Amino acid sequence: DIQMTQSPSSLSASVGDTVTITCRASQTINRFLNWYQQKQGKAPKLLIYSASSLQSGVPSRFSGSGSGTDFTLTVSSLQPEDFATYYCQQTYTTPLTFGGGTRVEIK
Amino acid sequence: QVQLVESGGGVVHPGTSLRLSCAASGFTFRSYGMHWVRQAPGKGLEWVSFISHDGHYIYYTDSVKGRFTISRDDSKNTLYLQMNSLRAEDTAVYYCDKDLRSGAFAGDFWGQGTLVTVSS
Repeated sequence: DIQMTQSPSSLSASVGDTVTITCRASQTINRFLNWYQQKQGKAPKLLIYSASSLQSGVPSRFSGSGSGTDFTLTVSSLQPEDFATYYCQQTYTTPLTFGGGTRVEIK
Repeated sequence: QVQLVESGGGVVHPGTSLRLSCAASGFTFRSYGMHWVRQAPGKGLEWVSFISHDGHYIYYTDSVKGRFTISRDDSKNTLYLQMNSLRAEDTAVYYCDKDLRSGAFAGDFWGQGTLVTVSS
């Protein structure tokens, strides 16, 4: 199975900050990488698919980049509603696998 | 609007069975692949299973192979997950989600989840 490693596991940031979360795959996955946001007690929400494609309705302050084994999710000008947990997911091969998550907390 | 509503969760003993349902509306169900994803209490997300729009392609995570069966009834716009030989480690909130498009493997709409608790 492909292992997905996210870092950091948690971070503290202030409104207006730019935040970067990284995700590393244990083998190359080309650009088969999604990013999700999950708020406490809620279902995940798709933010980015195919490494850098912004899902419809998602604010443009969210962006994704990378290919191969290394990927990043960047949130520019963090807003109060962005405090949540973020997960990467590889879709290169089954079983599809998620990273362990990155919790973004208010500083 | 797209809606996915899971049901069928509950508290069961180890070794028993449960069937989850996911009722879909607001989109052409028969045209989309569907997933089950679970989340153990306080833990991260774990993909469980996928069924293609036509039912021809089915995949499972290793830990549920031989125990869980995914299926769909397009006449009822409903996705199912038959779970047999349940174990304590299957305790989780189970979500169904709709694929963004054929082969995308990206869940663009999710249900609210249904809790399965396996305990003696």
